[in-house]
Amino acid sequence: ETGVTQSPTHLIKTRGQQVTLRCSSQSGHNTVSWYQQALGQGPQFIFQYYREEENGRGNFPPRFSGLQFPNYSSELNVNALELDDSALYLCASSLDPVTANYGYTFGSGTRLTVV
Amino acid sequence: KQEVTQIPAALSVPEGENLVLNCSFTDSAIYNLQWFRQDPGKGLTSLLLIQSSQREQTSGRLNASLDKSSGRSTLYIAASQPGDSATYLCAVRDTGGFKTIFGAGTRLFVKA
Repeated sequence: ETGVTQSPTHLIKTRGQQVTLRCSSQSGHNTVSWYQQALGQGPQFIFQYYREEENGRGNFPPRFSGLQFPNYSSELNVNALELDDSALYLCASSLDPVTANYGYTFGSGTRLTVV
Repeated sequence: KQEVTQIPAALSVPEGENLVLNCSFTDSAIYNLQWFRQDPGKGLTSLLLIQSSQREQTSGRLNASLDKSSGRSTLYIAASQPGDSATYLCAVRDTGGFKTIFGAGTRLFVKA
């Protein structure tokens, strides 16, 4: 069974640019969640996708958007990058978004630096 | 609004010591609580998942307990080893939505 894979592992962007981060969920998992983790803090929930639709969102502005594809892989897009967007972005997949009987499997993350 | 707090923020212990990490949450309406380990700059590795109906879960030298009514969970690590050095995060899945709320973590350093 494959785990969650994220790409790229590291990325440097300039303020104002746009970025796309990618995530392949664990085999058999149909739900993907994205988290932002600033240095020294716990991960903060950005949004969750289930069957290609967003079904939950945290306190992030609309310039953070996402997609989920029929194979349950996902993208996180961030427009108009700001310096404070520098963080580790984590993708997590799970089997069931509703009853939550299953935990999350996390990827290794993408380290985004905005300069 | 669910809030998760972890105490202590950092902990340094000699090898072989048994230790307890604490996690508290403000809203007892949760589906489950999950403990994770995070090595510096890396992703999260799931350690234990406790459903709201359960009281504890064990895996090897790790034991996690859950007291939903008091909003507390503990992670017990027996016979600590230098390889246990990492940040330990607890996260609750509350019933108010689909998101999981994380604590800020406890940074553990086990001295050889």
